[in-house]
Amino acid sequence: NAGVMQNPRHLVRRRGQEARLRCSPMKGHSHVYWYRQLPEEGLKFMVYLQKENIIDESGMPKERFSAEFPKEGPSILRIQQVVRGDSAAYFCASSRDSHSNQPQHFGDGTRLSIL
Amino acid sequence: KQEVTQIPAALSVPEGENLVLNCSFTDSAIYNLQWFRQDPGKGLTSLLLIQSSQREQTSGRLNASLDKSSGRSTLYIAASQPGDSATYLCAVGVNTGFQKLVFGTGTRLLVSP
Repeated sequence: NAGVMQNPRHLVRRRGQEARLRCSPMKGHSHVYWYRQLPEEGLKFMVYLQKENIIDESGMPKERFSAEFPKEGPSILRIQQVVRGDSAAYFCASSRDSHSNQPQHFGDGTRLSIL
Repeated sequence: KQEVTQIPAALSVPEGENLVLNCSFTDSAIYNLQWFRQDPGKGLTSLLLIQSSQREQTSGRLNASLDKSSGRSTLYIAASQPGDSATYLCAVGVNTGFQKLVFGTGTRLLVSP
């Protein structure tokens, strides 16, 4: 049973380009969460999605960031017109549901570097 | 607003020692609490999950306790090994209609042979 798969593992972009980060949840999981870990900081919640729906995006910057989880395929976190401050590790997690006894399982992350 | 603090920020111990990592949170109305391990350049591995109605959970050499009223959790590691070296993260589940995790900044553990 494969875990949460994120790709790419490392992504380098120049300022102004677009970054697309992909996340395939664990089999049987329909809840996806994105977190960001800035250098020397803790992980911060960004967005929570279920299939085809954004449930909560309160942690996501209003500008340039968007997320989707289509009916078919992986969840995508998209960052347009990247800036140096977007350099971070982006982690995706999934869970079977949102009950309190269900742990979130994390992928290995995508490390985004902006030149 | 929920805030999670972990102390110490770093800990270095010789192999074989028993140790305790601490986590405190400001709002006792939590959904659950998870302890994770993060190795350098890697993702998070879930170690233990304690639901808000529970007091502790055990897995192998690990034992996590939860005291909601005082806003504290501890992770106890028995007979530490060099392979335990990693950053340990505490995350509080906030029930905002779903399970949103608020993380501490972690404790970096180094176990020397």
